Amino acid sequence: QKEVEQDPGPLSVPEGAIVSLNCTYSNSAFQYFMWYRQYSRKGPELLMYTYSSGNKEDGRFTAQVDKSSKYISLFIRDSQPSDSATYLCAMSDNTDKLIFGTGTRLQVFP
Amino acid sequence: EPEVTQTPSHQVTQMGQEVILRCVPISNHLYFYWYRQILGQKVEFLVSFYNNEISEKSEIFDDQFSVERPDGSNFTLKIRSTKLEDSAMYFCASTLKPTGELFFGEGSRLTVL
Repeated sequence: QKEVEQDPGPLSVPEGAIVSLNCTYSNSAFQYFMWYRQYSRKGPELLMYTYSSGNKEDGRFTAQVDKSSKYISLFIRDSQPSDSATYLCAMSDNTDKLIFGTGTRLQVFP
Repeated sequence: EPEVTQTPSHQVTQMGQEVILRCVPISNHLYFYWYRQILGQKVEFLVSFYNNEISEKSEIFDDQFSVERPDGSNFTLKIRSTKLEDSAMYFCASTLKPTGELFFGEGSRLTVL
């Protein structure tokens, strides 16, 4: 079983839709969870950072962590064409090494 | 807004040549990293660096790789004798504290011919 699993997509939605992106993981020691956005041939851009379980909201973005199910989600409300990118989940335990998912490619069409 | 900067953005080299990738981390950050991403694959950890020494390295980071902080601002990754399979995007990252928010640079694309 892979340490972090993420559906590669592509996920194609119309502008204004609510987008749900998800990752599952196997290592129960993970405590720090991040979502990054990556445009083609660019560096990962940090969107959300959460510690342990719970929800966090920042503008149109909401991150959820369910440690009991080993499942994290990123919701994007009122999606825009500019949100079209690859979304990477990443997580770590008490070390500073991040383990990334493969990324989900999102396309938002006008 | 402070950012991690990397040079060069793209480097093409011949197999067996030495390559140095350079990074300027965010100025008040203390922990520095290199990650790489082979085309179409996931981002992978290479090495972490704190207080002028390596704190952790992956299996990928073998004797051909080294890191250095030659002065107060730069952080470099050296590949001594490049191989075809070293072709990838190399990302530098930095953070103020371990397990904190990690900020990445735009990457250096390395092509080994």
